[in-house]
Amino acid sequence: DVKVTQSSRYLVKRTGEKVFLECVQDMDHENMFWYRQDPGLGLRLIYFSYDVKMKEKGDIPEGYSVSREKKERFSLILESASTNQTSMYLCASSSSGQGVTEKLFFGSGTQLSVL
Amino acid sequence: DQQVKQNSPSLSVQEGRISILNCDYTNSMFDYFLWYKKYPAEGPTFLISISSIKDKNEDGRFTVFLNKSAKHLSLHIVPSQPGDSAVYFCAAVMDSNYQLIWGAGTKLIIKP
Repeated sequence: DVKVTQSSRYLVKRTGEKVFLECVQDMDHENMFWYRQDPGLGLRLIYFSYDVKMKEKGDIPEGYSVSREKKERFSLILESASTNQTSMYLCASSSSGQGVTEKLFFGSGTQLSVL
Repeated sequence: DQQVKQNSPSLSVQEGRISILNCDYTNSMFDYFLWYKKYPAEGPTFLISISSIKDKNEDGRFTVFLNKSAKHLSLHIVPSQPGDSAVYFCAAVMDSNYQLIWGAGTKLIIKP
């Protein structure tokens, strides 16, 4: 069974802290994505990666960075957490096989609260 | 400006009846449309999709209709079952740009 695993289900951090969100997929997918989901706004893309060590900015990259040192792992980093980064963070992966028709596989999400 | 809009935040339907979830888009360059379903405490899962060259795609109880002239698509669930209670997201993508553009979601509640 295919799986995308996010390291934490819930996380509480303080303003100014550096926060790491980890995501691992076991499907040998080339593409990995980080989204945040906020009520009334749907899913917004933060960063994505098409290959190891490659990264591309999404719609809302400000205040975030990412790391992809291995194919199966994609990390999201909040350099200095702020209260407006309180959100549900979703990691996803997909194969490059069929281009835009490839469906995404999501992790269960990390609910981050920044106090 | 949201390119993909789901104007109904929630929808309540009686079990056994038809559920119709709507989605409007503004960009005529979108080539492909997808619906995802999300249960609480889980990530979204792919449900059904449609290419812009088609006007209908069916998969069991789920049918997606695309009206390109109106820039509108809808997801029909017949018959609705309690397990269909979830948030449904509509998403669109252009062939030239792999980024999915998501709607805000519609929470579907199936009443027994």
